[in-house]
Amino acid sequence: EDKVVQSPLSLVVHEGDTVTLNCSYEVTNFRSLLWYKQEKKAPTFLFMLTSSGIEKKSGRLSSILDKKELFSILNITATQTGDSAIYLCAVDPGGNQFYFGTGTSLTVIP
Amino acid sequence: DVKVTQSSRYLVKRTGEKVFLECVQDMDHENMFWYRQDPGLGLRLIYFSYDVKMKEKGDIPEGYSVSREKKERFSLILESASTNQTSMYLCASSPGGSFEKLFFGSGTQLSVL
Repeated sequence: EDKVVQSPLSLVVHEGDTVTLNCSYEVTNFRSLLWYKQEKKAPTFLFMLTSSGIEKKSGRLSSILDKKELFSILNITATQTGDSAIYLCAVDPGGNQFYFGTGTSLTVIP
Repeated sequence: DVKVTQSSRYLVKRTGEKVFLECVQDMDHENMFWYRQDPGLGLRLIYFSYDVKMKEKGDIPEGYSVSREKKERFSLILESASTNQTSMYLCASSPGGSFEKLFFGSGTQLSVL
């Protein structure tokens, strides 16, 4: 059975901390892995990863994929209260379905 | 920017009512999806559509039906709402093709009393 597992389920950190969110997957086919940020509204796209070892970066956020070990990490440095959100990981196996993890709820306290 | 619009942000219905959730996208996307999101369970696919009048069941289609009469609009129907259908419902669309991403609506928080 195809599945995507995110850890931890929730995390509370102080402003300025660095956090690492994990996403592991077991899927029959793999085309890409996507990260989304969800606040009290629509999930917004962060990164799409297709190749191992190539870091994607946007400001304080970065992500990398390991296709051999079947996982990805999302790093957030110098966290701010505005980073508080649910972070979703999804795998696109090709075809029309996306497989989502349960999400990691991040809370950043001042 | 792609816009995916869900008709209601919050909805309260009674058990047994027929409920319509509407979703409209403005970018001529081929694919549209309905997910429900529950704490600890993540996003689960209810139905998706890859073309007008075409639909496929997702992981949890029971108790739901869908309609796609026009390319831009994808409706989720709860024929007879039940309390276990209380949830956040997210609509999404994607262009179709390779290496695509999903574009989400803001969600409808449905409460069935």
